[in-house]
Amino acid sequence: QSALTQPASVSGSPGQSITISCTGTSSDVGGYNYVSWYQQHPGKAPKLMIYEVSNRPSGVSNRFSGSKSGNTASLTISGLQAEDEADYYCSSYTSSSSWVFGGGTKLTVL
Amino acid sequence: EVQLVESGGGLVQPGGSLRLSCAASGFTVSSNYMSWVRQAPGKGLEWVSVIYSGGSTYYADSVKGRFTISRDNSKNTLYLQMNSLRAEDTAVYYCARGMELERRGVTNAFDIWGQGTMVTVSS
Repeated sequence: QSALTQPASVSGSPGQSITISCTGTSSDVGGYNYVSWYQQHPGKAPKLMIYEVSNRPSGVSNRFSGSKSGNTASLTISGLQAEDEADYYCSSYTSSSSWVFGGGTKLTVL
Repeated sequence: EVQLVESGGGLVQPGGSLRLSCAASGFTVSSNYMSWVRQAPGKGLEWVSVIYSGGSTYYADSVKGRFTISRDNSKNTLYLQMNSLRAEDTAVYYCARGMELERRGVTNAFDIWGQGTMVTVSS
């Protein structure tokens, strides 16, 4: 199972919005509404930010939103804050009864 | 408090074995689906294995036949037995709880993660 494709890096200024894309295939992203997004700060464990494409767990800011079109999912962060600077990973359940992650995107808040 | 604490990592020679543990508190391991996810130094996340509440298990192709996931219900602990270790298995290993919602069921996302335990395979 090949990793999902994410841009290596994105950046934005405080208050702006950014979008991170995550491209897979019909066997993962396109085939299921089981895309999730994780935030990881250096040296820390991942934190679930979005599940089932567009749902936020309790406690996650509504500045984070998710969507999907075909084989590509997206994470949008609005009103960028310094604390949003982190690595972001998408993940999808697959037709092989497994999970696949994206390569990760480093978000820099300028 | 809902929490996962991994242990058992360390330095092992190629071809060697190691068993990782993941002690859970605040919830019951056997009532949830639980996974191991690893992260090689400076690299991204890689799913390794899952065990469902019913006992079914699945593995990534990269570890199939070498790793075994299991749990001890009496200890509320998840395990990963790793045999025939290779240099490319060097990583931080995280255990993670599969997220289930009362009315929606399985979400195929992981909502609780441990702090990770480092495994280094080197001679």
